[in-house]
Amino acid sequence: DIQMTQSPSTLSASVGDRVTITCRASQSISSWLAWYQQKPGKAPKLLIYKASSLESGVPSRFSGSGSGTEFTLTISSLQPDDFATYYCQQYNSYGTTWTFGQGTKVEIK
Amino acid sequence: EVQLVQSGAEVKKPGESLKISCKGSGYSFTSYWIGWVRQMPGKGLEWMGIIYPGDSDTRYSPSFQGQVTISADKSISTAYLQWSSLKASDTAMYYCVRHAGYSYGCFDYWGQGTLVTVSS
Repeated sequence: DIQMTQSPSTLSASVGDRVTITCRASQSISSWLAWYQQKPGKAPKLLIYKASSLESGVPSRFSGSGSGTEFTLTISSLQPDDFATYYCQQYNSYGTTWTFGQGTKVEIK
Repeated sequence: EVQLVQSGAEVKKPGESLKISCKGSGYSFTSYWIGWVRQMPGKGLEWMGIIYPGDSDTRYSPSFQGQVTISADKSISTAYLQWSSLKASDTAMYYCVRHAGYSYGCFDYWGQGTLVTVSS
């Protein structure tokens, strides 16, 4: 099974900061990587798909990059609405399986 | 507008059975895979399984194979997740999700979640 490891687990940042979250896959997943944002008591929301494609309606301050085994989610200028938990997710077409990272909580510094 | 609307919260005792639902609207229900994702209290997201309502092809995560059953009734655009004998460890929020397609690989729409509480 492919394992997804996110770092850090928790990140303290201020409004206006540039924030980067890393996700590593235990084996190559090409660009089959998505990022989701979850706020307390809410369902997750898709932000990025295929590693770097921005979902419609998602602010342009969010961006994704990477391929193979290492990926990043960057928030260029953190806004009050961005304090949340972020999850990466891989898609393995061969086994038709999906695996999430353990999550990164972005907190107010 | 694409929507996935899930059934309401449930409180059950260990050993009881349960079936929760997820109704899709605003798109062709038989053309997209529908999956289920578990979130235990204070924990992360776990993919459980997925079904293609068009032909009921179903895949399970190895962690959930044999523990739950996923089904769908395409005549009413509804997918289901069921347990035959609940355990306290099944206490969690369960989300249904729409798979965006093989060109995307992600889950583009999520239901609002169904909270299942299993307690004696």
